[in-house]
Amino acid sequence: GAVVSQHPSRVICKSGTSVKIECRSLDFQATTMFWYRQFPKQSLMLMATSNEGSKATYEQGVEKDKFLINHASLTLSTLTVTSAHPEDSSFYICSAILNTEAFFGQGTRLTVV
Amino acid sequence: RKEVEQDPGPFNVPEGATVAFNCTYSNSASQSFFWYRQDCRKEPKLLMSVYSSGNEDGRFTAQLNRASQYISLLIRDSKLSDSATYLCVVNARNTDKLIFGTGTRLQVFP
Repeated sequence: GAVVSQHPSRVICKSGTSVKIECRSLDFQATTMFWYRQFPKQSLMLMATSNEGSKATYEQGVEKDKFLINHASLTLSTLTVTSAHPEDSSFYICSAILNTEAFFGQGTRLTVV
Repeated sequence: RKEVEQDPGPFNVPEGATVAFNCTYSNSASQSFFWYRQDCRKEPKLLMSVYSSGNEDGRFTAQLNRASQYISLLIRDSKLSDSATYLCVVNARNTDKLIFGTGTRLQVFP
């Protein structure tokens, strides 16, 4: 089946630093990818839609200057959390759609200390 | 009101039991419906799509009631390996955006 690979799976960083998370579609091309965030015991919340070759579309309340998204190729989207703060600590997960089914990356657990 | 609402549970059931989860959605334009399963600290995985006529996959049966904007999942003969969080997911017409419920946690005990 289709595979979406996300890296890194876990990262710990200091407050004020930036962290880049990569999401790759391994055996299919994805013009659109989605980035979600999940806090403990809460649902996945859509942060933004990443569009290949154009600007990402952000959901209401998500700061586009803080969560930079780049979708430079049909198989790669990146999310950069800039100037991270402890409240940004969360589980970040990407997905891509193939034939109406959503496939998810393995997720990145970010801890900001 | 949340777009997709689920009882968070947990539902604690013995092996072999039948358990049902319900989900309601607020957007009447929603067109596609799914149940995903998420294990602890893992990514969600598609369990089954939900069709208007209802559908079954082994021990799992999903039903959709568009008039009431209600989706259900029935699990028969529960196994220990069914322990997970079950996410109700919908998307709107002509969009790939998925809206997730908070999930219903199931714990099957021996």
